[in-house]
This record gives sequence, structure tokens and C-alpha cells, in this order.
Amino acid sequence: KAGVTQTPRYLIKTRGQQVTLSCSPISGHRSVSWYQQTPGQGLQFLFEYFSETQRNKGNFPGRFSGRQFSNSRSEMNVSTLELGDSALYLCASSLGRMEDTQYFGPGTRLTVL
Amino acid sequence: GDSVTQMEGPVTLSEEAFLTINCTYTATGYPSLFWYVQYPGEGLQLLLKATKADDKGSNKGFEATYRKETTSFHLEKGSVQVSDSAVYFCALKAGGSYIPTFGRGTSLIVHP
Repeated sequence: KAGVTQTPRYLIKTRGQQVTLSCSPISGHRSVSWYQQTPGQGLQFLFEYFSETQRNKGNFPGRFSGRQFSNSRSEMNVSTLELGDSALYLCASSLGRMEDTQYFGPGTRLTVL
Repeated sequence: GDSVTQMEGPVTLSEEAFLTINCTYTATGYPSLFWYVQYPGEGLQLLLKATKADDKGSNKGFEATYRKETTSFHLEKGSVQVSDSAVYFCALKAGGSYIPTFGRGTSLIVHP
């Protein structure tokens, strides 16, 4: 069974630009979560989508948004990029029930110059 | 709120040494507990988990026991290898939550 895939793996942008990251979950998984990982803050939860609806949200500004499609694939968008948005963005998928384990993708490394 | 505390790293060991990475937690109810591992340049991989008190999770020579009385889930391995060098994350998922809470991660460096 294929794992969670994320594209692109690496991205370089400049301040003020916007970026869209993509995540394809494990087949059959309906929940997709996004995390931001930085050396200073560690792993921080951004949001979770289940059946095309945002079910949970972390404490991030409105510049961070996401969506999920009917095939469970998800995209995350960051508008008006700031230097502090440089991070590894991780996507995780699960079946979607509370007791389920999350499985992570390899991440997208975003660098903002 | 829920929280996970891990020992500060890096932990530096010689090959074949015994490994312990401490993890304690605060949570309401009876959470499920996890250890994830992140190799350089990769995402997190589930290493092991335990869903109730006194359960022992194990995988690839790593073990951790869910200790409710001490609210701990320490990761152990009897003989580490250079290939175990990675960052290890302890996490919990409390009852009633879809989203796990992660610790800050502990870097392990194993020298030949």
C-alpha cells in the first residue's frame, strides 16, 4: 500500500508570495492533518480535514488555509509569506476515527527568502 | 491541557550501548501513547504505541511501557546501532481528541 505523498518536496519562495502544498493520503484514509515543524517551535498542528470539512484547527493566523477534495487529497495554502514561515510542512493521514493512528508523509521543505 | 515532556537532547551513545529516552505526560482520561521516529530529511514514522495502562509497545528492538502511576512512556533499546540515529518524538492522543499532542523531540546520535 502506498504511503502518504507530498509535493513538492522542496520549495523556495520570497516574502509576500503565496504557496500551495499538496498531500495525497494513504488509500482509504479520510482524515488529513497538517503540521508545521521548525527547530524553535517543534511540531505544531495546523488543521485537520475529514470528508472535505475542516474538523480541527490549530492556533495559526488566517494566512494559513487548507482544503480537502472528494478523493481525500488535501492542499494547504499560505498567503503573504513571511520569513518565519520557513519550515518543514508535514501531512499525516488516518482513517479518521479517534482511535486511529496517524501516518506521516516525507514533508515539504519551504524556504522563504 | 494535554502535554508531553521529553528529555532534552542530543543523546550521544556508542554503538551497542543501552538507550533510554524519557517521556512523561499530562492528560485527562486515559490517552493512547506513541513513539515516532524521524530520520534526517524524512517525515515521522510510527515506531510503537500503547493504548492502555501496562501495555508494552515494541518494534525493531525498541520498547516502551505505558505506566499510568508515573504517567510515563519511556523508550528503551538494549543495543543501539548507528542506523538508529534520528529524532524521537513521544506523543499522546487523549480520549475525545482526533489530534495527537507531540513532545519537542529528542535527538539520538550513535557513534561507531
